[in-house]
Amino acid sequence: EIVMTQSPATLSVSPGERATLSCRASQSVSSNLAWYQQKPGQAPRLLIYGASTRPTGIPARFSGSGSGTEFTLTISSLQSEDFAVYYCQQYNNWPPITFGQGTRLEIK
Amino acid sequence: EVQLVESGGGFVQPGESLRLSCAASGFTFSSYSINWVRQAPDKGLEWVSYIDDGNTKYYADSVRGRFTISRDNAKNSLYLQMDSLRDEDTAVYYCARGAGPIPYFDSWGQGTLVTVSS
Repeated sequence: EIVMTQSPATLSVSPGERATLSCRASQSVSSNLAWYQQKPGQAPRLLIYGASTRPTGIPARFSGSGSGTEFTLTISSLQSEDFAVYYCQQYNNWPPITFGQGTRLEIK
Repeated sequence: EVQLVESGGGFVQPGESLRLSCAASGFTFSSYSINWVRQAPDKGLEWVSYIDDGNTKYYADSVRGRFTISRDNAKNSLYLQMDSLRDEDTAVYYCARGAGPIPYFDSWGQGTLVTVSS
């Protein structure tokens, strides 16, 4: 089973600043990595797939990078609606499909 | 518009059974893989089960042998039969559409809460 580890657990950033979230895989997942955003009381929303591709409707301030075992989600200029929990997920070696434990992005 | 609507959650005692449903609309249901993903209270996301358009099924180790995933393409519906429920199965259960056969999840339902407690 591939273990996904996200860091930090909590990230405090001011609105308008850049946020950088990390995700590490216990073995290579190539570019088969997705990122999700989850707000309280809501279902997750897909932000990035293929490590760096944004689905239609996702703002350009969200970007993903990396391959192999190291991945990054960058939010270039934080808006109030971006404060949420973010999860990475690998779909390279499955089953099982595995998620990271999440990074909580909070207002500084 | 893609819509996934879960139902069937509730409160049960350990050892009991429950059947969840997920009604899909706005897309060709039969062409997509669909998954169940759960989230225990104040915890992260955990993949539970997968079924594709060819009826291939996979399960997480934590539920294999107790849960059964199925689909009815004529009714645009997904199901999860949950037997021998345990306290640790308490969670919000989401159905989530895969991107074709590929299991990243581009659409999610709103979730249904399952509580297992004595």
